Amino acid sequence: DTEVTQTPKHLVMGMTNKKSLKCEQHMGHRAMYWYKQKAKKPPELMFVYSYEKLSINESVPSRFSPECPNSSLLNLHLHALQPEDSALYLCASSQDRPANNYGYTFGSGTRLTVV
Amino acid sequence: GQNIDQPTEMTATEGAIVQINCTYQTSGFNGLFWYQQHAGEAPTFLSYNVLDGLEEKGRFSSFLSRSKGYSYLLLKELQMKDSASYLCAVFFSGGYNKLIFGAGTRLAVHP
Repeated sequence: DTEVTQTPKHLVMGMTNKKSLKCEQHMGHRAMYWYKQKAKKPPELMFVYSYEKLSINESVPSRFSPECPNSSLLNLHLHALQPEDSALYLCASSQDRPANNYGYTFGSGTRLTVV
Repeated sequence: GQNIDQPTEMTATEGAIVQINCTYQTSGFNGLFWYQQHAGEAPTFLSYNVLDGLEEKGRFSSFLSRSKGYSYLLLKELQMKDSASYLCAVFFSGGYNKLIFGAGTRLAVHP
């Protein structure tokens, strides 16, 4: 299995809703990441987990709450989002130190719309 | 910030060669990646340069010069399916992993 699987693919939520994005990989990667991507912009790093511990939080608002239940799973809990949070949310994984023939493996993303 | 700069858009003709440049004002990174991203899809890995010089992989080659703060991606024998965004990204690893993307270059390949 050489994929990162994200669910759901599309999500529409109201500003008072609570929802979660899920990400799963079975490549034995020990680093997992959340990125946010707005239209025609590059992915922006949100969180990094290394060996199931949060190692980087790029000053992300607390309405986004990451969770890494085990080495294969990464969740992003959403609460009280704003319309400007609408974006493509990408999950990625990598070996602890990516080699030149691996890099990061990205999921196909969850397209989130906040109404 | 890392100030990673790429041209916003480029156009090229099918069968031609195109070079996409990336300049950066950062140091201490482990390597530089190039990714391809079709609209609405995940970025896919193209190449990774650690040392200065040229890395060749089929129709794609990538070059890095750390002293000049410069990289480029060279695409040969362009095909229509190469129309996509191309993202340059620097990778930091020092007890943590951090991949920071440039703004990306949207390439349109015409017949």
